[in-house]
Amino acid sequence: GAGVSQSPRYKVAKRGQDVALRCDPISGHVSLFWYQQALGQGPEFLTYFQNEAQLDKSGLPSDRFFAERPEGSVSTLKIQRTQQEDSAVYLCASSKRTSGGYTSTDTQYFGPGTRLTVL
Amino acid sequence: DAKTTQPPSMDCAEGRAANLPCNHSTISGNEYVYWYRQIHSQGPQYIIHGLKNNETNEMASLIITEDRKSSTLILPHATLRDTAVYYCIVSMTTDSWGKLQFGAGTQVVVTP
Repeated sequence: GAGVSQSPRYKVAKRGQDVALRCDPISGHVSLFWYQQALGQGPEFLTYFQNEAQLDKSGLPSDRFFAERPEGSVSTLKIQRTQQEDSAVYLCASSKRTSGGYTSTDTQYFGPGTRLTVL
Repeated sequence: DAKTTQPPSMDCAEGRAANLPCNHSTISGNEYVYWYRQIHSQGPQYIIHGLKNNETNEMASLIITEDRKSSTLILPHATLRDTAVYYCIVSMTTDSWGKLQFGAGTQVVVTP
């Protein structure tokens, strides 16, 4: 079956430009996560959606970063006025998890990521 | 703060078992141990998880010590396609929505 897809796979932006990164989660998956991965490091959490509700945006590095999931399926991560330090791979993951319950047992399925390079 | 400690790298011969250690001395009673791996230029891939009992699936085995302060991921017969960064993750607590806190992981290189 289809996995998580992300587009574009590669994006080059000039400093100061706005970019939009798209994530198509696995159909029916309630939870959606965005992570940022700098070169040579592990992914770092950015934000979390349960359906269309953004329940956690504690990892967003600045107010230039904005994410939405208006219909509870496709999600877009937008970065305004990009800076060189925004250069990274942006990963999207989805899972069937439906609650922030006592334990975390649902597998997260990751997309291939979007590599953003800001010049 | 990192909740897990892993060696930065290890080599393994093709066909041999790969044993990947992880220390998580501050793990709490309701936290699971997860293992993911990331092959170059791909997103992370789930391998296995456990709470206190040893677990096995088609990919690997997970051995958790009785005090739960450390664990070992075992790839029984490593292949070249197992070359990847392996992440040991302790799931965060109740208000985390299942978000994963990755560390630097262990770079595993499987050689012919």
